[in-house]
Amino acid sequence: DTGVSQNPRHKITKRGQNVTFRCDPISEHNRLYWYRQTLGQGPEFLTYFQNEAQLEKSRLLSDRFSAERPKGSFSTLEIQRTEQGDSAMYLCARGPAADTQYFGPGTRLTVL
Amino acid sequence: QKEVEQDPGPLSVPEGAIVSLNCTYSNSAFQYFMWYRQYSRKGPELLMYTYSSGNKEDGRFTAQVDKSSKYISLFIRDSQPSDSATYLCAMRVQGAQKLVFGQGTRLTINP
Repeated sequence: DTGVSQNPRHKITKRGQNVTFRCDPISEHNRLYWYRQTLGQGPEFLTYFQNEAQLEKSRLLSDRFSAERPKGSFSTLEIQRTEQGDSAMYLCARGPAADTQYFGPGTRLTVL
Repeated sequence: QKEVEQDPGPLSVPEGAIVSLNCTYSNSAFQYFMWYRQYSRKGPELLMYTYSSGNKEDGRFTAQVDKSSKYISLFIRDSQPSDSATYLCAMRVQGAQKLVFGQGTRLTINP
């Protein structure tokens, strides 16, 4: 158990629909990260929160993507107008430090 | 060219063998290095992290960093079937939060 839960675990949606994923870090670590992983590739960084502040954001995070972390606890990642290229595993990680990022089980998104 | 290169394998070895997994990188600004293990359909699991050249040992695992060659390795001694997974190297620049991952090497340990 890495102390990170993600919901839903699987999401199938049609192209053009909006989807929202949730990450709940169990512990009080103030750092939270989102990554995206496609089949056969390593995770790619999307964004980083320290408490409720979004401090780093990848160019991968287009205008259709938005992430929030209200009150510095759970976080949500929303994708608007999904495209087939958005199909991937979306991973959330918590950490006391950048070198110790503990990942959740991920949300697998399939866009039809 | 990717910043971090990792042979995707697959790599298959008999139980008990010593396994060597490697990554090369092009960005000399990378100062911190990690190894993750990922089982199928699970999130990556942190195995080890280090920030200095040389070796770091943890049980059956040894991480090795050679900054002059931009080359890192993970050695697994007395490999077990339960070590069968994809191994990901990751690294970051000082002051940055994001990890840059390699593609991952798929490893199978045969009983």
